[in-house]
Amino acid sequence: DVKVTQSSRYLVKRTGEKVFLECVQDMDHENMFWYRQDPGLGLRLIYFSYDVKMKEKGDIPEGYSVSREKKERFSLILESASTNQTSMYLCASSPTENNEQFFGPGTRLTVL
Amino acid sequence: AQSVTQLDSHVSVSEGTPVLLRCNYSSSYSPSLFWYVQHPNKGLQLLLKYTSAATLVKGINGFEAEFKKSETSFHLTKPSAHMSDAAEYFCVVSSGGYNKLIFGAGTRLAVHP
Repeated sequence: DVKVTQSSRYLVKRTGEKVFLECVQDMDHENMFWYRQDPGLGLRLIYFSYDVKMKEKGDIPEGYSVSREKKERFSLILESASTNQTSMYLCASSPTENNEQFFGPGTRLTVL
Repeated sequence: AQSVTQLDSHVSVSEGTPVLLRCNYSSSYSPSLFWYVQHPNKGLQLLLKYTSAATLVKGINGFEAEFKKSETSFHLTKPSAHMSDAAEYFCVVSSGGYNKLIFGAGTRLAVHP
C-alpha cells in the first residue's frame, strides 16, 4: 500500500521560530510537492522537487524553503514563522510516468 | 495558462438523491483532469482521472465525470448520495511538466438524512 507520511499532524509555533515540516514517501517516486491549503483557496503549490537536490518554486514560495537530500524525503522550512503562515500543509509525491499525486495526511500549523 | 473553476463552494443534498458538482477548466492544450476527495481530518484521495481516453470516466464509490471539450467542463456526478459522501471535493487540472497540478477552490458536499 502506497504511503506518504508527514512528521506531525498538529504543530504550534511562535512568530519568528524556524519550523521544519518533514515528508517521507515509500513509493520511490521522483517528484515531490508541498502545498498549503486554506479555506476557499484550494491547494496552492509552494515548492516541488523532481530529483534529489533539485527544487523549483511553485506559486507561493515566499517565506519558505525546501530541502531534498534523499529521494524519499522532502522537507519544508519556514525560516522565520509568521502568523500568516498558519495553515494546513500537505505533501504529495508522484512518479515521473504519470501525473497522479499521492498525498500525506497533512500538518496543521498554527503560528502564534 | 491552465486554471480550474469550481462553480459551487457548497452543495447540499438529501441521502439517496443525485449529486452534481460542477467544474470548468481552462487549458491551452489537451489536459489531464482529476477529481480528488478529502474527508474530514484525512488526506486527499483520488476519485477519478481523465487522460484523453473515454470522455466518461468512472471512479471509486460510484462517482463518474464527463469530459466535455466544447463546454470546457468536467462535472462530477453520482446517481444516489450516501451519508459517507459528505466531504470536500477538488477539481484539478494538470499543468505542464513535472506532473504539476492546479487545484480548484473546492466544493463542500453535505448529505442530509
